[in-house]
Amino acid sequence: AQSVTQLDSQVPVFEEAPVELRCNYSSSVSVYLFWYVQYPNQGLQLLLKYLSGSTLVESINGFEAEFNKSQTSFHLRKPSVHISDTAEYFCAVSRANFGNEKLTFGTGTRLTIIP
Amino acid sequence: NAGVTQTPKFQVLKTGQSMTLQCAQDMNHEYMSWYRQDPGMGLRLIHYSVGAGITDQGEVPNGYNVSRSTTEDFPLRLLSAAPSQTSVYFCASHQDYGNTIYFGEGSWLTVV
Repeated sequence: AQSVTQLDSQVPVFEEAPVELRCNYSSSVSVYLFWYVQYPNQGLQLLLKYLSGSTLVESINGFEAEFNKSQTSFHLRKPSVHISDTAEYFCAVSRANFGNEKLTFGTGTRLTIIP
Repeated sequence: NAGVTQTPKFQVLKTGQSMTLQCAQDMNHEYMSWYRQDPGMGLRLIHYSVGAGITDQGEVPNGYNVSRSTTEDFPLRLLSAAPSQTSVYFCASHQDYGNTIYFGEGSWLTVV
């Protein structure tokens, strides 16, 4: 079975400062990795995903994550955050090539941007 | 483009009552799932379906029932509500391996 650990439950960051949200996973097989974002009182939206190929993946709103197989990590980074980035961020993992009907989520990191 | 639609958005139940959370998607996705979200626990899979007529249990299936008679609909039934089922419930759908999962906006359920 797969598992995901998000090391920080809350991360406060000043506006325009950089941020890193940490995610580590555990799996005995190859995996797909995802970051989802949940804005207040809304459902989850896919932010970015790693399936194969380049280990650095980017989102359209400036976030990026790097798949590090040796460290079993998929940390999310943004060089300069904005107020609108305030949300909860979930890292998730599924077995590669088995579909993601059994997506396993981390416990989430609440990102708070301080003006 | 409606995507994944859940109803109701809010519901209060008394212990022992039953109810059904409705979920419909208009994207012709094969895979549909139900998750519950609790503080500090992330999202946990309750039941899922890989196509019409096929369902299976997830991580926390006890107290819930599902069926999938059509591709579009995947209702979640609470058989006899308990306070431990107070949670936010999300329905989700996706098409194939590695594809984006689309979530509904959630149903807030309180059992008193």
